[in-house]
Amino acid sequence: AQSVTQLDSQVPVFEEAPVELRCNYSSSVSVYLFWYVQYPNQGLQLLLKYLSGSTLVKGINGFEAEFNKSQTSFHLRKPSVHISDTAEYFCAVSTSGTYKYIFGTGTRLKVLA
Amino acid sequence: KAGVTQTPRYLIKTRGQQVTLSCSPISGHRSVSWYQQTPGQGLQFLFEYFSETQRNKGNFPGRFSGRQFSNSRSEMNVSTLELGDSALYLCASSLEGSYEEQYFGPGTRLTVT
Repeated sequence: AQSVTQLDSQVPVFEEAPVELRCNYSSSVSVYLFWYVQYPNQGLQLLLKYLSGSTLVKGINGFEAEFNKSQTSFHLRKPSVHISDTAEYFCAVSTSGTYKYIFGTGTRLKVLA
Repeated sequence: KAGVTQTPRYLIKTRGQQVTLSCSPISGHRSVSWYQQTPGQGLQFLFEYFSETQRNKGNFPGRFSGRQFSNSRSEMNVSTLELGDSALYLCASSLEGSYEEQYFGPGTRLTVT
């Protein structure tokens, strides 16, 4: 069975500082990995996804993530955050043929002025 | 293209009642997934439909059911509501499911009193 762990429930960071949101997954087969962002009172929006190929994936709003198969991780990074990045971030995993996405419990990023 | 729409946006029900939530996917999308979102639990997968067939379901009691119509619109039903069913219910659509980006609706906020 697949699972996703987001160890940090909340991450406070000052504006213009770098940030890393951690995601680890568990799966016995090849996976597809996703990061979504949820702003208050809104649905989720895709930031980036890894399907195959290059392990460094670039997404929208300056975010990027690196797929590390040996560490079963897919950490999200941004070199310089803005106040507008304050939101909840979800990591998700899916596998071919399951038609099911497993989401982590989310990390609330709070950017401080 | 219009996004995923969910109706109603807010709902208050009493324990023991039943409720039906509706989701209209993006035009051309045939896969619709439903999630329950609660604080601290993240998104929990309920079920996924494709061309009127349920292809996968999560670990929820039989009180939770769903269906999909020929135009890809989907409904989910919760019978005999319990206080613990209070949550944000999110619907997401994609072309085929499994490895694609899911497009989320704004959700239906259900409160059970």
